[in-house]
Amino acid sequence: SFELTQPPSVSVSPGQTARITCSGDNLGSKFASWYQQKPGQSPMLVLYRDSQRPSGIPERFSGSNTGNTATLTISGTQPMDEADYFCQAWDRTTRVFGPGTKVTVL
Amino acid sequence: QLQLQESGPGLVKPSETLSLTCDVSGGSISNNDYYWGWIRQPPGKGLEWIGSLFHGGGTYYDPSLKSRVTMSVDTSKNRFSLNVTSVTATDTAVYYCAREGISSRHFDFWGQGILVTVSS
Repeated sequence: SFELTQPPSVSVSPGQTARITCSGDNLGSKFASWYQQKPGQSPMLVLYRDSQRPSGIPERFSGSNTGNTATLTISGTQPMDEADYFCQAWDRTTRVFGPGTKVTVL
Repeated sequence: QLQLQESGPGLVKPSETLSLTCDVSGGSISNNDYYWGWIRQPPGKGLEWIGSLFHGGGTYYDPSLKSRVTMSVDTSKNRFSLNVTSVTATDTAVYYCAREGISSRHFDFWGQGILVTVSS
């Protein structure tokens, strides 16, 4: 079965760049999406089709997807970006989420 | 603005059936550009896709849940539903309904979620 892996945690200083990876077999041949979830809230889509930002998502969120790894990059990270981030892709008829990465802004 | 709202019992006994409904407002569930999905999140854990359906037919379920899950749609009421049979404590989770883009299978609108606890 298709699986996605993510690092459990990433720490970043305010104003610096955070990179969150998501790995899966030949992931670059599929579309990756990314979701931000803050405590007590529903997940929110921040990127789809690897690098497309929905309306209202700041430009500091960007993405890439090549080979076996998709990457969510947060440039100029702000304290409000502290959250859990989940990647997601689909394989045949199955949608799969990664286990999530906790981003801490120190 | 599209809104999704989950409803159903917050407590279900082991071995019984969990039944939830998602009411969609601000948009039509019959829109051919979207699937409609259910995702759950056990306490303190990650997101788990349960399944997705299309208004005109076609349902897709996670293989690990397929034998216990049924999803259906009522276009006249603009809502869709989830049934999970033979529940155990491991089915305790916040259940979300969401709209899914048909082109790249991303979930762009989510409900607020409903906590369902399986306990006697």
